[in-house]
Amino acid sequence: AQKITQTQPGMFVQEKEAVTLDCTYDTSDPSYGLFWYKQPSSGEMIFLIYQGSYDQQNATEGRYSLNFQKARKSANLVISASQLGDSAMYFCAMREHQSNFGNEKLTFGTGTRLTIIP
Amino acid sequence: DTAVSQTPKYLVTQMGNDKSIKCEQNLGHDTMYWYKQDSKKFLKIMFSYNNKELIINETVPNRFSPKSPDKAHLNLHINSLELGDSAVYFCASSQDAGENTGELFFGEGSRLTVL
Repeated sequence: AQKITQTQPGMFVQEKEAVTLDCTYDTSDPSYGLFWYKQPSSGEMIFLIYQGSYDQQNATEGRYSLNFQKARKSANLVISASQLGDSAMYFCAMREHQSNFGNEKLTFGTGTRLTIIP
Repeated sequence: DTAVSQTPKYLVTQMGNDKSIKCEQNLGHDTMYWYKQDSKKFLKIMFSYNNKELIINETVPNRFSPKSPDKAHLNLHINSLELGDSAVYFCASSQDAGENTGELFFGEGSRLTVL
């Protein structure tokens, strides 16, 4: 079973509009972390935002916010006032709690390619 | 100063050859990883090392052999390269989660093309 599901392979959004990228996850672990990464066409992986499973509030980082709905096991990324530079692949990832160090790998979703239209 | 650096950035080679990719991190992290990103952009973990000790080996063919001479370095050697090995290989590091987020810091990736 997929641990991280991103159902939108591609999205087109008008510049300056807000955009929501969907992510659902599957875990039975009460302690886990959720991450979003951006991969522009240049190829590097850029960390955007993190949400811990015990965090009471939704994470925010500038124009990025994470809409964390724990009961629904969803962790959608919201980008406000989109810009042309937001065009990229976006990956959702999860880290489950592990008892030994080094085993705390991130499992990634298949990604969503976001294109911002001028 | 690049936090996680890997070399080479591009590698083009013939099937059957042996090649290595090197990775170094100057963040003082305890754990390093190799991830493979295929042509469909799917990122999958291959290995992780914690303080030079192999922790994760995700059913990777034994033609792939990671080596960690110290906790700041994790190299990847690939024997008898096959066409299906063509991918982008990312090195990453993280501080042990504990009170940290366990966020991965990625290198720029090494694009391997096997002809």
